[in-house]
Amino acid sequence: GQQVMQIPQYQHVQEGEDFTTYCNSSTTLSNIQWYKQRPGGHPVFLIQLVKSGEVKKQKRLTFQFGEAKKNSSLHITATQTTDVGTYFCADDRGSTLGRLYFGRGTQLTVWP
Amino acid sequence: ETGVTQSPTHLIKTRGQQVTLRCSSQSGHNTVSWYQQALGQGPQFIFQYYREEENGRGNFPPRFSGLQFPNYSSELNVNALELDDSALYLCASSLGAWNSPLHFGNGTRLTVT
Repeated sequence: GQQVMQIPQYQHVQEGEDFTTYCNSSTTLSNIQWYKQRPGGHPVFLIQLVKSGEVKKQKRLTFQFGEAKKNSSLHITATQTTDVGTYFCADDRGSTLGRLYFGRGTQLTVWP
Repeated sequence: ETGVTQSPTHLIKTRGQQVTLRCSSQSGHNTVSWYQQALGQGPQFIFQYYREEENGRGNFPPRFSGLQFPNYSSELNVNALELDDSALYLCASSLGAWNSPLHFGNGTRLTVT
C-alpha cells in the first residue's frame, strides 16, 4: 500500500547550517501535515499543505508541496539548538475522519 | 484553553495483563484519536472516536478497544498485553472536520515485561 517515506532518518548539523527533510510517496499524496516532536515530548502541529505546488513559510521554516503531490519538504534556514527534535510528515489519504499516516520522521540534532 | 491531558504518564505491566489509559480532550474538540508510537517510529493510528462512537480503526487487533464519554474524554483499553505493545500511546483531539490538525497529549509510556 501507499507509504510515506521520509529521508534522511537522521541529520546532524552545526548551529547556523540549513536543514531539509523530504517526504516522498510513490502515489499521490492527499493533504500533508508536518509535526515536530521534541525529545521526550509529543508531536506538535506545524503546518498543513493542501494544494499542488504550495509553499508556506513560518519564520525560518519553509514548507513545500510538490507539483505532482508526490513529495513534500521542510527546510529550516540557519538552524538553532531550539530546532532539535524529530520532524514528521503525515498524509490523510483523503480521509474525512482526520486519520493521519505518519512517516518515520527525520531526527535533527543541532550542536552549538 | 485546556490542552489534551493523558494519564498515567508511565506504566509497567506484565505480559497477559490488561491496561486502561485515559485522555481528556482539548476544550471544544469532539473527536479523539489514539496512536501508538514505537521507539524510532512515527505514530500509528489505532482508532478514532466521534460523539461516543468508534469512527475508524487502524490495523490493530480487537484486544485494543476504546470508549468516548459524553464530555469527549476517552479511554484506551488493551487486553492480554504482549511485549510488542510496549510503546508511547498518544491521544490526540481535534475538531473532527476535514483537515483539522491533531492536538496531541504528552502520551503514556507503556512498558510490558
